[in-house]
Amino acid sequence: ETGVTQTPRHLVMGMTNKKSLKCEQHLGHNAMYWYKQSAKKPLELMFVYNFKEQTENNSVPSRFSPECPNSSHLFLHLHTLQPEDSALYLCASSQDSRGASYNEQFFGPGTRLTVL
Amino acid sequence: AQSVAQPEDQVNVAEGNPLTVKCTYSVSGNPYLFWYVQYPNRGLQFLLKYITGDNLVKGSYGFEAEFNKSQTSFHLKKPSALVSDSALYFCAVRSYYGGATNKLIFGTGTLLAVQP
Repeated sequence: ETGVTQTPRHLVMGMTNKKSLKCEQHLGHNAMYWYKQSAKKPLELMFVYNFKEQTENNSVPSRFSPECPNSSHLFLHLHTLQPEDSALYLCASSQDSRGASYNEQFFGPGTRLTVL
Repeated sequence: AQSVAQPEDQVNVAEGNPLTVKCTYSVSGNPYLFWYVQYPNRGLQFLLKYITGDNLVKGSYGFEAEFNKSQTSFHLKKPSALVSDSALYFCAVRSYYGGATNKLIFGTGTLLAVQP
C-alpha cells in the first residue's frame, strides 16, 4: 500500500448532514492534498497544505472545509452538500508542495461519497 | 494554459502484445511529466516520471515512457501486456508558477483492457 489511509471508504449522506473525511499519511511527508474524482472528468485539485499551512484553494465551495492539524493528518468537513458533489474523494501526500519541487504524490484509496 | 490530453478513453490489447497509452501536454517552460495507474477501488499509484535527462524513462511493473519534446508527447509503453495491467491510467504534468504551489494537472484517464 502507499502509506496513505482514508476513512471512511464509503459514505452516504443527506444534503442536510454534516460529516467529515479523514486522511492520514505515514510517509513523513510535509504536503497533503484533497482531490475530487468524478466519472469522465480529470482529477480536480481542491486543496493543498504544505507544513500545515493551506497554500491552495482551487475555488472550492464553502460547503467543503479542510483542516490540517499536523503534517500527518488531513480532514475534509462536509455540510449541506449537493447531489452533484457525489464523487470519489482522494487524499494524497508528497515530500513538499513548494514551487521547485517535482516530487511524486502518493494517494490514498479514496472515500466514495454519495449525496442523496 | 497548461493541460494534458489523453486522446483515447480506452485501449484494448491482447495479452503478450505491446501496449501504448498516449499522452500529449501543453506547458510553459520545461515539463515535468508523470504516469499514474488506478486499479478498481484503489487510489492512484505512481508509475514513473520524467524530470530531465534520458528521454526514455523506466518505471514500475515493466512500464516505460518516452518523452518527445518536438511532439509534446509522453506515451506510456510496455513490451508485453499482462491481464493484470488492466486498469485506468492517468498522465499528469506539473504546473509550476515560480514560487507558487507545485500542482499536478491530470488527464481524463485511459482505461486499458488486456484480453487473455
